[in-house]
Amino acid sequence: NAGVTQTPKFQVLKTGQSMTLQCAQDMNHEYMSWYRQDPGMGLRLIHYSVGAGITDQGEVPNGYNVSRSTTEDFPLRLLSAAPSQTSVYFCASRAQGNQPQHFGDGTRLSIL
Amino acid sequence: GIQVEQSPPDLILQEGANSTLRCNFSDSVNNLQWFHQNPWGQLINLFYIPSGTKQNGRLSATTVATERYSLLYISSSQTTDSGVYFCAVLSGYSSASKIIFGSGTRLSIRP
Repeated sequence: NAGVTQTPKFQVLKTGQSMTLQCAQDMNHEYMSWYRQDPGMGLRLIHYSVGAGITDQGEVPNGYNVSRSTTEDFPLRLLSAAPSQTSVYFCASRAQGNQPQHFGDGTRLSIL
Repeated sequence: GIQVEQSPPDLILQEGANSTLRCNFSDSVNNLQWFHQNPWGQLINLFYIPSGTKQNGRLSATTVATERYSLLYISSSQTTDSGVYFCAVLSGYSSASKIIFGSGTRLSIRP
């Protein structure tokens, strides 16, 4: 059971480039979320989804897009990378109801 | 929205000491988790504890939902306990997917 899998683990981009961070879960969880963690800080919610075809904004959505075409996958897109988006990105999933959240190992993203 | 405050922000202890970490939240919650972020950045789920008390080895946690706080106890600390401890809460059903994190307690255990 792989749980929540994020790829890539590390990425360096130039300002203005675009890329997609991948997240997949094999637990058939309805809810999936993306967070960013900046140095010395807690996690902040970027976007989330309550099921396939449904997404919504979190605390810091600007500069990011998401889609949820399947239950398993929840990719995060940076359309035009900016240095302020340098961070560690975590994907998480949980089952419906008051259930614990499970996290991937994170993607370390640097924007030059 | 709900506010989550953790204290203390930093804690330095000698190996073998006990510690108590606190998480206060400003509104009623349906879900509370404690996580340990290890030095490699991984988030390890410690407890799912919306109310009551749970224990797992040297760690235990208590949530008093009516008084809006949770405590994480670490006994006989080991150097491997070092890292950042986060609490995260889910509040309400209208924003069912929004889990909000506290800013964490950074724990350093000296050998």
